Amino acid sequence: DVKVTQSSRYLVKRTGEKVFLECVQDMDHENMFWYRQDPGLGLRLIYFSYDVKMKEKGDIPEGYSVSREKKERFSLILESASTNQTSMYLCASSRQGYTGELFFGEGSRLTVL
Amino acid sequence: QQQVKQSPQSLIVQKGGISIINCAYENTAFDYFPWYQQFPGKGPALLIAIRPDVSEKKEGRFTISFNKSAKQFSLHIMDSQPGDSATYFCAASGATGGFKTIFGAGTRLFVKA
Repeated sequence: DVKVTQSSRYLVKRTGEKVFLECVQDMDHENMFWYRQDPGLGLRLIYFSYDVKMKEKGDIPEGYSVSREKKERFSLILESASTNQTSMYLCASSRQGYTGELFFGEGSRLTVL
Repeated sequence: QQQVKQSPQSLIVQKGGISIINCAYENTAFDYFPWYQQFPGKGPALLIAIRPDVSEKKEGRFTISFNKSAKQFSLHIMDSQPGDSATYFCAASGATGGFKTIFGAGTRLFVKA
């Protein structure tokens, strides 16, 4: 069964802390994505990567960075968490050339106090 | 413009009824229009998708209707069941968007038994 696994389902952090969200996919997909999901706003793209060590900004990259050192792993980093980053974070992957066919993980719900 | 507008925000349907969710897009360069289904506590999962060279696609009880001239597409769920209760997202992607998939805000569907 193909899978996108997000390491933490629930996190509670304090303002100013550094936060790492990890995502691993076992489908050998070239593309990986980080989305943020908020009620009434749908899914908004934070960053994506189409190859190892490559990254591109999405629609809301401010306050976030990413790392892709291996094909199967894509990390989202919040350098200094703020309360407005409280949200559900979704990682997804897709095959090269099939960017609309996304496979999502189950999400990481982050609360920043 | 990269927006995808989705309506309604929420929908209550009787068991056995037809659920209809509508979406509109602006960028004519989009060439792939997927619908995702999300159950509570899970990530979105691809449900059905259409390309603009066809006006309708049906998979079981789920049908996408596509109107290229109006830049609109809709999801119809026939014989709606309580198990269909979920949040539905329309989306659009294409060459102009690069590797991006743009999502609508989502529709929460509740099917009453």
